[in-house]
Amino acid sequence: IAGITQAPTSQILAAGRRMTLRCTQDMRHNAMYWYRQDLGLGLRLIHYSNTAGTTGKGEVPDGYSVSRANTDDFPLTLASAVPSQTSVYFCASSAGQENIQYFGAGTRLSVL
Amino acid sequence: GQNIDQPTEMTATEGAIVQINCTYQTSGFNGLFWYQQHAGEAPTFLSYNVLDGLEEKGRFSSFLSRSKGYSYLLLKELQMKDSASYLCAVMDSNYQLIWGAGTKLIIKP
Repeated sequence: IAGITQAPTSQILAAGRRMTLRCTQDMRHNAMYWYRQDLGLGLRLIHYSNTAGTTGKGEVPDGYSVSRANTDDFPLTLASAVPSQTSVYFCASSAGQENIQYFGAGTRLSVL
Repeated sequence: GQNIDQPTEMTATEGAIVQINCTYQTSGFNGLFWYQQHAGEAPTFLSYNVLDGLEEKGRFSSFLSRSKGYSYLLLKELQMKDSASYLCAVMDSNYQLIWGAGTKLIIKP
C-alpha cells in the first residue's frame, strides 16, 4: 500500500453500538488527524495526534476516542453510536514544514 | 470565532477561466491551503500559500493577501474533470487547519 488506508469503506450501525474506524499510513508521517464531513459544513477536526503516544482533542471530540500506539495506526472509536454521528469520516496525515495533509478515502457511517 | 468564507457554488464554461474566492478570520495564520474534492472522494492537495502573492502551478494559481485575509484560486483552460468542490483551509496559531465549507464548481460544455 502507498498512502493512507481507511476501513471499512462504509458501515450501517445500530444506535448504541460500539464501532472502531481504522486508519493506517505507510508514509512515516508523525501527525495524524480524524475529521468528519457533513453536507454544508467544512471538515471538522475530531481528534489529532502530533506523534506516536500523544493525542489531542479537536473541535468536535465528544463521543469519540482515539489512540496512537505506533506511527502507522490511528483508530477512531465511537463508544456508543448516536444518529448525529452519521457522517463521512476522513483520516489524514502530515509531515514537513508546510504540514500538508494527505487524506484517506473515507468511511461513510450511518447510525440508525 | 474563526471563520472561512467561500461561495457555495459556481458555474463556468469549459475552456474558460474561473476565480474562487476565500476570506478568512482566524486566530493566527500559518498558511493557507486549497484542496480539490471530487464527489464521493477524498480531498487532494492543490496549493499552499504562506507569503503574499501568487503561486502558479500549471493551470492552477493561488493568491494570498494576509493583510486583507483573502485568497483566491484561479483555474485556467477549464476542463470537464475540474468539476469538483474546492476547499479553502487556514492553519491557525495552534497549527490546526480551519476549513471552509467548500465551493462546488460546475463546468458546462
